[in-house]
Amino acid sequence: KQEVTQIPAALSVPEGENLVLNCSFTDSAIYNLQWFRQDPGKGLTSLLLIQSSQREQTSGRLNASLDKSSGRSTLYIAASQPGDSATYLCAVRTMEYGNKLVFGAGTILRVKS
Amino acid sequence: DTGVSQDPRHKITKRGQNVTFRCDPISEHNRLYWYRQTLGQGPEFLTYFQNEAQLEKSRLLSDRFSAERPKGSFSTLEIQRTEQGDSAMYLCASSPQGLAGAYNEQFFGPGTRLTVL
Repeated sequence: KQEVTQIPAALSVPEGENLVLNCSFTDSAIYNLQWFRQDPGKGLTSLLLIQSSQREQTSGRLNASLDKSSGRSTLYIAASQPGDSATYLCAVRTMEYGNKLVFGAGTILRVKS
Repeated sequence: DTGVSQDPRHKITKRGQNVTFRCDPISEHNRLYWYRQTLGQGPEFLTYFQNEAQLEKSRLLSDRFSAERPKGSFSTLEIQRTEQGDSAMYLCASSPQGLAGAYNEQFFGPGTRLTVL
């Protein structure tokens, strides 16, 4: 059974700091991994999708890496801003259950101005 | 707005009542998913449609839950005889079917927040 863990559960940083969010998964047989952002009481916004054959994806100040063999992904946020404050979720689509995403519990990020 | 839409956004009901939620996926997306999210947790998969066919259901989807996608476009999720434990955010997502069966990005709607009193 695929399990996804996100560390840390919560993070508070001053504005301008670079930060890394971690995601680990137990079954390396995945199709892809997605990072999402969720604002309080809202739906999910897709940030980055990494296919299993890729090592990283970049979008603006965000960079996500994938090490499938070790079951790890990181989301790097450069020059953090108060508007980045949200919950960040990672999810994997596994080969065993190919049509659903398995989510971690998320990292709550607060960027202080 | 061409994103995934859900209606209603909020629903408050009394225990034992039936509720129905609607999801309109992104047009041209033939795959539609329902997830449930409780406070402090990531979303959990409930069910999946490809066109009008319901192809996968989670064990979380008890017999009080039923989902339909009659014409392969919008979908409804009905909960009968609601219980307080059904209180959660119900999220809908859609995705296109990629070339050669590749699995593509899922796009989520704003969710329906259900509160059962």
